[in-house]
Amino acid sequence: SAVISQKPSRDICQRGTSLTIQCQVDSQVTMMFWYRQQPGQSLTLIATANQGSEATYESGFVIDKFPISRPNLTFSTLTVSNMSPEDSSIYLCSVRVPSGANVLTFGAGSRLTVL
Amino acid sequence: DQQVKQNSPSLSVQEGRISILNCDYTNSMFDYFLWYKKYPAEGPTFLISISSIKDKNEDGRFTVFLNKSAKHLSLHIVPSQPGDSAVYFCAASEGYGNKLVFGAGTILRVKS
Repeated sequence: SAVISQKPSRDICQRGTSLTIQCQVDSQVTMMFWYRQQPGQSLTLIATANQGSEATYESGFVIDKFPISRPNLTFSTLTVSNMSPEDSSIYLCSVRVPSGANVLTFGAGSRLTVL
Repeated sequence: DQQVKQNSPSLSVQEGRISILNCDYTNSMFDYFLWYKKYPAEGPTFLISISSIKDKNEDGRFTVFLNKSAKHLSLHIVPSQPGDSAVYFCAASEGYGNKLVFGAGTILRVKS
């Protein structure tokens, strides 16, 4: 299955700033998925990033807060804008495995702490 | 509204015994279910899955049971090993290829 690299692995951010998380996949994929895991909560899908088109956002998530880029078939970025302490979470990038099953492979995640 | 619930935040089991992790769901349209395992500082990794046409799927020490009428699934690990200590997430999807909805996870500790 695909190998996913995420940067940064962790960061401490100040309230009101923005941070961009990078996701690199070692193979070409059509869709990349961005998830968030708030402390003690489930993994929640933020958006699906498609190459060549705008990302599709889930209910409760908006482009102004979580802008996403998808410049090619192996790379995507997620920006967390105007951060508040409530944005302190693990952000995970994932792709579907090519076997045909509805299985996702995840990156190691980016743990953001907002002070 | 949590569609997938893992009501036990944590579970502690002795090495060699059975670990049973439970998951309940509310959406009757879910027809594909998965379990993921997550170690600290790593992303979740796929463990085992089951479709709604089955009630059991086995892979080595791991077996998933699905009770559609109760909207309940469980993961059995036999025998449990210290390396199984991790967070286990249950996930479900409505239709093949559609988005996965995750539970909040259960921390499993296997004591040696």
